[in-house]
Amino acid sequence: NAGVMQNPRHLVRRRGQEARLRCSPMKGHSHVYWYRQLPEEGLKFMVYLQKENIIDESGMPKERFSAEFPKEGPSILRIQQVVRGDSAAYFCASSPLRADEQFFGPGTRLTVL
Amino acid sequence: AQKITQTQPGMFVQEKEAVTLDCTYDTSDPSYGLFWYKQPSSGEMIFLIYQGSYDQQNATEGRYSLNFQKARKSANLVISASQLGDSAMYFCAMRGNTGGFKTIFGAGTRLFVKA
Repeated sequence: NAGVMQNPRHLVRRRGQEARLRCSPMKGHSHVYWYRQLPEEGLKFMVYLQKENIIDESGMPKERFSAEFPKEGPSILRIQQVVRGDSAAYFCASSPLRADEQFFGPGTRLTVL
Repeated sequence: AQKITQTQPGMFVQEKEAVTLDCTYDTSDPSYGLFWYKQPSSGEMIFLIYQGSYDQQNATEGRYSLNFQKARKSANLVISASQLGDSAMYFCAMRGNTGGFKTIFGAGTRLFVKA
């Protein structure tokens, strides 16, 4: 049973470009969470999704950021018109049930030039 | 509001000795879960241990144990017989089991194990 997969592992974008981060949860997991980690800081919750539904997006910036978890395929975190302040590690986690332990992916390190 | 506080930015421990990493929390949820994660220099997040707020006994997983003191709202991680491979960042986290679904993380403690 493969763990949580994230790709790409490293992503470099220029200011103003779009970044798409993908997360494939563990098999049988229908709950996906996205977190952002700035250098030397802890993880900050961004959004919690179940298949085709956004459950809690209270940690998402109001503009430029969006997330989806379609019926088929991976969850996508999309950042439009990236700025230097978006440079961070973005982690995805999944769980089989809401209250269960979350299993983390390896993260995507976004660098905005 | 929920809050996790880790007051030790860095800790040193001698190999084979035990070390305690502090974590205090604040929440209004009657039911919640507490987690510890390890983040080595490679960057991945590794789950270590979980404690439910209604669990009667402190959680243990191998060399890791969680010293849960509910009245004091503390959930300290104890690592026994430290190994060089334990050198990493350690994050305490909490998720309320009612209402919101967020997991919030502390700022982390960097542990250095000395040979």
